Amino acid sequence: LAKTTQPISMDSYEGQEVNITCSHNNIATNDYITWYQQFPSQGPRFIIQGYKTKVTNEVASLFIPADRKSSTLSLPRVSLSDTAVYYCLVGPNSGGYQKVTFGTGTKLQVIP
Amino acid sequence: NAGVMQNPRHLVRRRGQEARLRCSPMKGHSHVYWYRQLPEEGLKFMVYLQKENIIDESGMPKERFSAEFPKEGPSILRIQQVVRGDSAAYFCASSPPRGQGKEAGTGELFFGEGSRLTVL
Repeated sequence: LAKTTQPISMDSYEGQEVNITCSHNNIATNDYITWYQQFPSQGPRFIIQGYKTKVTNEVASLFIPADRKSSTLSLPRVSLSDTAVYYCLVGPNSGGYQKVTFGTGTKLQVIP
Repeated sequence: NAGVMQNPRHLVRRRGQEARLRCSPMKGHSHVYWYRQLPEEGLKFMVYLQKENIIDESGMPKERFSAEFPKEGPSILRIQQVVRGDSAAYFCASSPPRGQGKEAGTGELFFGEGSRLTVL
């Protein structure tokens, strides 16, 4: 599985756009990029997944350059409730089998 | 449709006792995964099960830990003779059968709220 590198922590003020970048230089051809969000004392929650270019849903956008060696999770106009740890995962989209380690993620602190 | 249910949410055990953590997957999901999370660390894969089968237990410690997912009832993670180093949050996740449901296309995992084990 491709190793990922992301910042340990980030701070942002409410209402700002937050971009969290993940490096995955050894991504394989059949690997997808998936982001999860984890609030304190809760299990992770799927946010978004992409393979290339841009993916957008009601929560976030995911930007993936042509070489796919990195990706950026974009959270528009964050609020205090977006304070959480965000994990970047890279692996095959195997439709159910996800033997992955989440890493330490990026701890986002939204400041009033 | 209820989410992944884990119990107990909190469990306190003394060294040498046994801990049993239970996980009921989402309705229709036949894949169950267990992860362990130490404080300030990410989640580490432990085991992947389908009904009555252990598919991959490569993340399980070789001793004292076992998991099952019987034909009927919840999946159980069992830790025998607990030690202080076993103190952690244990998360269960489930996913639908391969190729079924919209989530199967993304491989999305649905997590429970975790069971927090404290060993005194």
